Amino acid sequence: DIQMTQSPSTLSASVGDRVTITCRASQTISSWLAWYQQKPGKAPKLLIYKASSLETGVPSRFSGGGSGTDFTLTISSLQPDDFTTYYCQQYSSYPYTFGQGTKLEIK
Amino acid sequence: EVQLLESGGGLVQPGGSLRLSCTASGFTFSSYAMSWVRQAPGKGLEWVSGISGSGGTTFYADSVKGRFTISRDNPKNTVYLQMNSLRAEDTAVYYCAKVIVPAARLGNALDIWGRGTTVTVSS
Repeated sequence: DIQMTQSPSTLSASVGDRVTITCRASQTISSWLAWYQQKPGKAPKLLIYKASSLETGVPSRFSGGGSGTDFTLTISSLQPDDFTTYYCQQYSSYPYTFGQGTKLEIK
Repeated sequence: EVQLLESGGGLVQPGGSLRLSCTASGFTFSSYAMSWVRQAPGKGLEWVSGISGSGGTTFYADSVKGRFTISRDNPKNTVYLQMNSLRAEDTAVYYCAKVIVPAARLGNALDIWGRGTTVTVSS
């Protein structure tokens, strides 16, 4: 199975900050990577697919990058609504594993 | 509006069975692969199983292989997850989700999610 490792597990930041979350795959997955945002008690929401494609309706302050084994999710200017948990997921080969999550907290 | 609605969750004893259903609306159901993803209390997301649009291809996580069966009824716009030999560690919110691209590889980003149904395995 492909292991997905996100870092950091927790990130403290302020409104207006630029932040980057990293996701590393245990083997190459080309660009078959998605990023999701999940708020407490809610279903995940797709933000980015194919590593860097922005899902329709997602604000442009979110961007994704990387290929192969190393990937990033960047939020260019944090808004109050962004302080929640983020997951990466590889869909290169099954099982389509998720990272352990990154909780974005207000500093 | 594209929607997914899960049902069938509940409290079951260890070793018991449940069948989850996910009914879709607002899109051509048979064109899209579907997945089940679960989340144990206070934990992260775990992909459980996936099925192609035709139903001819299915995949499972190792943790459920041999105990869970995914299937779909395209005329009814419904995907199912039959869960047998349930264990305490299967306790979770179970979400169904559709892939973003029709008639494509089963492995794909999940763009529409249901609200989830809760399964509790306890004596």
